[in-house]
Amino acid sequence: DTAVSQTPKYLVTQMGNDKSIKCEQNLGHDTMYWYKQDSKKFLKIMFSYNNKELIINETVPNRFSPKSPDKAHLNLHINSLELGDSAVYFCASSRSGVAFFGQGTRLTVV
Amino acid sequence: AQSVTQLGSHVSVSEGALVLLRCNYSSSVPPYLFWYVQYPNQGLQLLLKYTSAATLVKGINGFEAEFKKSETSFHLTKPSAHMSDAAEYFCAVSENSGNTPLVFGKGTRLSVIA
Repeated sequence: DTAVSQTPKYLVTQMGNDKSIKCEQNLGHDTMYWYKQDSKKFLKIMFSYNNKELIINETVPNRFSPKSPDKAHLNLHINSLELGDSAVYFCASSRSGVAFFGQGTRLTVV
Repeated sequence: AQSVTQLGSHVSVSEGALVLLRCNYSSSVPPYLFWYVQYPNQGLQLLLKYTSAATLVKGINGFEAEFKKSETSFHLTKPSAHMSDAAEYFCAVSENSGNTPLVFGKGTRLSVIA
């Protein structure tokens, strides 16, 4: 019955690979986000979608491509992974300004 | 542009002592303010929110925060710390005009000593 769920929870991959992280919310929210949490725990917005449309792209390299097939899903595809992409990626959804977060995906690039 | 400053990257308190985590914000429009808690290897859980109603906001687990516009502050308090409160705490701000993304502070790690 999880409100915002992400898969996988852990992802270990080699440099240069392409990987995807999936996110689904069952809250009926119109707005979804991807955040990145770095090794110092700092959280920064990457993308914001509203009703399947990209609203915000915060200077993220174009190797990162979000896709929203419907309002309940926002997936993140990453091409040509680099060591610096290692982080925890959080999906979130919101209504009326209150955001609910998934459990995060810890991506480790080796 | 909005920003959040959390004073103190690490706060340590004794079990039963007062918890005070400081947050100051900057916003050109009336803000929404939030505190989230992150336990190890978990996602962010909403503790409480200020959305322009009462300035003293009560949240889960006995936490509360007071919005002070004159001081641009939204400090988080709890009268008596429990061991289970040890976690990372994040203050965040957003515009109160809809679903703009949250802007987070750098977080404060709370340790509780027995």
